[in-house]
Amino acid sequence: KQEVTQIPAALSVPEGENLVLNCSFTDSAIYNLQWFRQDPGKGLTSLLLIQSSQREQTSGRLNASLDKSSGRSTLYIAASQPGDSATYLCAVNTGGFKTIFGAGTRLFVKA
Amino acid sequence: ETGVTQTPRHLVMGMTNKKSLKCEQHLGHNAMYWYKQSAKKPLELMFVYNFKEQTENNSVPSRFSPECPNSSHLFLHLHTLQPEDSALYLCASTGAGGQADTQYFGPGTRLTVL
Repeated sequence: KQEVTQIPAALSVPEGENLVLNCSFTDSAIYNLQWFRQDPGKGLTSLLLIQSSQREQTSGRLNASLDKSSGRSTLYIAASQPGDSATYLCAVNTGGFKTIFGAGTRLFVKA
Repeated sequence: ETGVTQTPRHLVMGMTNKKSLKCEQHLGHNAMYWYKQSAKKPLELMFVYNFKEQTENNSVPSRFSPECPNSSHLFLHLHTLQPEDSALYLCASTGAGGQADTQYFGPGTRLTVL
């Protein structure tokens, strides 16, 4: 059974710091992996989608990597800003429309 | 309206009530999803419809009944719910690439069962 774990559960950093969020999954047979952002009480916003054949994806200050064989993905955020404060969710697609989410990392960026 | 919309945004209901949640996507997508997000738990996939056909039912209790009349609309009919069903219910959709595509989420319905 696929399980997705995100570490740390919460993180507080000063503005301007570069940071890394971690996601691990137990079964390497995934179709793709997606990183989302969720603001309190709101829906999810897709940040980056990495297909199983890809190693990384970049969008602005965000870079996500995928190492399928070791069951890991990282989300790198450069030069963090207070507006980056949110919960970041990692999700793996195991095929057949089935998506398994991690519990998320709650990020707080202090001004 | 653009993207994925959900109504109502907030709902309070008693255990004996019957209510429905509505989701509409304006993206021309083919697949639609219902998720449940409880406090301090990961999102749980409930149902998936692809071209109006149900493809996933993640062992959801029968007090939750989905309906997908067309590729743009998805409903979740609720009856005789329990207090532990209180959660944020999120709808999502994906395009022609199906599971290869990005999921687009609505803002959610915050449900409280008294």
